[in-house]
Amino acid sequence: DQQVKQNSPSLSVQEGRISILNCDYTNSMFDYFLWYKKYPAEGPTFLISISSIKDKNEDGRFTVFLNKSAKHLSLHIVPSQPGDSAVYFCAASASSGAGSYQLTFGKGTKLSVIP
Amino acid sequence: GAGVSQTPSNKVTEKGKYVELRCDPISGHTALYWYRQSLGQGPEFLIYFQGTGAADDSGLPNDRFFAVRPEGSVSTLKIQRTERGDSAVYLCASSLMGGQNTEAFFGQGTRLTVV
Repeated sequence: DQQVKQNSPSLSVQEGRISILNCDYTNSMFDYFLWYKKYPAEGPTFLISISSIKDKNEDGRFTVFLNKSAKHLSLHIVPSQPGDSAVYFCAASASSGAGSYQLTFGKGTKLSVIP
Repeated sequence: GAGVSQTPSNKVTEKGKYVELRCDPISGHTALYWYRQSLGQGPEFLIYFQGTGAADDSGLPNDRFFAVRPEGSVSTLKIQRTERGDSAVYLCASSLMGGQNTEAFFGQGTRLTVV
């Protein structure tokens, strides 16, 4: 059973518009969430993270929102640029026990930004 | 560059053979992780090293998989009697310390194909 779910395999957005990528999780022990970006033939690159004590974290064009009651998070990219075209992975970890260093990933969403 | 380096980039092997995958982490990083990404899936945790010791190998799928990090730097993932189901991209990551809030940097991965 998937503990981190990204239900949209792909997303196309016009350049300059907002991209919204969604992620749901089922494990209540998760308290730290991350987004990774991956280009073909490269490893995932850390983008932005959020702790469960917050509901929003912003870094430039990237904002992550966390809704703990719904076990849902989203990544907003504004404005979207062609260079943002990549696969985006949502990941989660739990601070207690052995889970603090283990990341559980979703399947990824492929974002295409159309010029 | 001083990133995480993985060799080889690609490895094709015959079913039943033995393979070794190498990871050179970022200098000074004490934590090292191996993940496996199968087609259409997100990365899945295999093993975590803190220094020379495997702190958590709970993600290794079976006893055909083994990993070492004898000097606390370079790590080798070893797979015996390879099976077609082992075909995947094997990702290595390192971080300054283990745990949350320490960014994990990924290598580009080794694409293993078992024929």
